[in-house]
Amino acid sequence: AQSVTQPDIHITVSEGASLELRCNYSYGATPYLFWYVQSPGQGLQLLLKYFSGDTLVQGIKGFEAEFKRSQSSFNLRKPSVHWSDAAEYFCAVGPFSGGYNKLIFGAGTRLAVHP
Amino acid sequence: GAGVSQSPSNKVTEKGKDVELRCDPISGHTALYWYRQRLGQGLEFLIYFQGNSAPDKSGLPSDRFSAERTGESVSTLTIQRTQQEDSAVYLCASSEGGAANTGELFFGEGSRLTVL
Repeated sequence: AQSVTQPDIHITVSEGASLELRCNYSYGATPYLFWYVQSPGQGLQLLLKYFSGDTLVQGIKGFEAEFKRSQSSFNLRKPSVHWSDAAEYFCAVGPFSGGYNKLIFGAGTRLAVHP
Repeated sequence: GAGVSQSPSNKVTEKGKDVELRCDPISGHTALYWYRQRLGQGLEFLIYFQGNSAPDKSGLPSDRFSAERTGESVSTLTIQRTQQEDSAVYLCASSEGGAANTGELFFGEGSRLTVL
């Protein structure tokens, strides 16, 4: 079955500390992988995506993610967290087939940032 | 419009009533999606539109749920005889179709439905 697992429901980090949010997926075909962020009162915003090529992808707001096929993982990282990064983060996997993006989402990780 | 617009932003209704949720996608986006987000859970796919046809409605939970779309514009999600388990945030997303598709879904802020 196709699924996405985000093992950490809540994570708290201090401002300036590094961050890694975990994502594991189960998908039968070549996965297309996404990270979205949902800030309070706002819609989901795409942080980054992986389709093919270099397994380390850069996104907006200083985020990056690394695709590891052998571990079925697509972890999100940021070297130095800012207070404005407090939000909920969702990992997603999908087929991305010619305009059809039926994404399967994880349950999300809520990030809190201490000053 | 500039982004995906959803209305109402909040809806409180009594069990057994019907509700309609509206989504206005980004102009020119041919693909439109409805997702449901229950408290503390991830997004659950409901239905996908390409133009005004729905090639995939496999996520609709029951026959109380239906959706339609007018051309490549507004979509309405209707829930009949609402139940308490229908309480959730209903999210709409749109994307470009065909070769113009970058893979990104553009989401609205959602409609929060509370069934008493």
